[in-house]
Amino acid sequence: EDQVTQSPEALRLQEGESSSLNCSYTVSGLRGLFWYRQDPGKGPEFLFTLYSAGEEKEKERLKATLTKKESFLHITAPKPEDSATYLCAVQGGTSGSRLTFGEGTQLTVNP
Amino acid sequence: DSGVTQTPKHLITATGQRVTLRCSPRSGDLSVYWYQQSLDQGLQFLIQYYNGEERAKGNILERFSAQQFPDLHSELNLSSLELGDSALYFCASSVAPTRSTDTQYFGPGTRLTVL
Repeated sequence: EDQVTQSPEALRLQEGESSSLNCSYTVSGLRGLFWYRQDPGKGPEFLFTLYSAGEEKEKERLKATLTKKESFLHITAPKPEDSATYLCAVQGGTSGSRLTFGEGTQLTVNP
Repeated sequence: DSGVTQTPKHLITATGQRVTLRCSPRSGDLSVYWYQQSLDQGLQFLIQYYNGEERAKGNILERFSAQQFPDLHSELNLSSLELGDSALYFCASSVAPTRSTDTQYFGPGTRLTVL
């Protein structure tokens, strides 16, 4: 059974204070690891797909990396508008196309 | 805006009732997924349809059912509702599950409140 664990559960940063969110996963035959951003009461917004260990992707202040056991979402010089819950999900080789999500990291960036 | 639409946005109903949630996928997407998000369980996969046919089932209760129509929109039917069914229900769509990796785009969700 695919499993995803995210840490920390919550993170408070000052504007400009860089940090990283962690996503540890167990999956049989990783097909893809996904990062989504979710604002309260809204649907998850797609950020990145990572396919294999060593891969990195960037978008504005966000950079996602992938190893064989975990993924990191690095946030550089965050702004208050980056405040949201960040969700990590995996798509495994034996579970079809369904996504297995972690519980998320709630990020708050104070001005 | 992901291009996935869901109606209604909010739904308030009573225990024992039946409701229908509707989803229209992004243009060109053939696969539709339904997920439930509750406070204590996070996002959980319910069911997947591909081009009108059921493809996979997750933790979907027998009281729940879904279908995908020829125009590719999908409906999730929830019956004999209980208080614990109160949650956000999301629809997601993707091009096709036959690709090696299938990115899913989520709709805005339907918030169901059972009183």
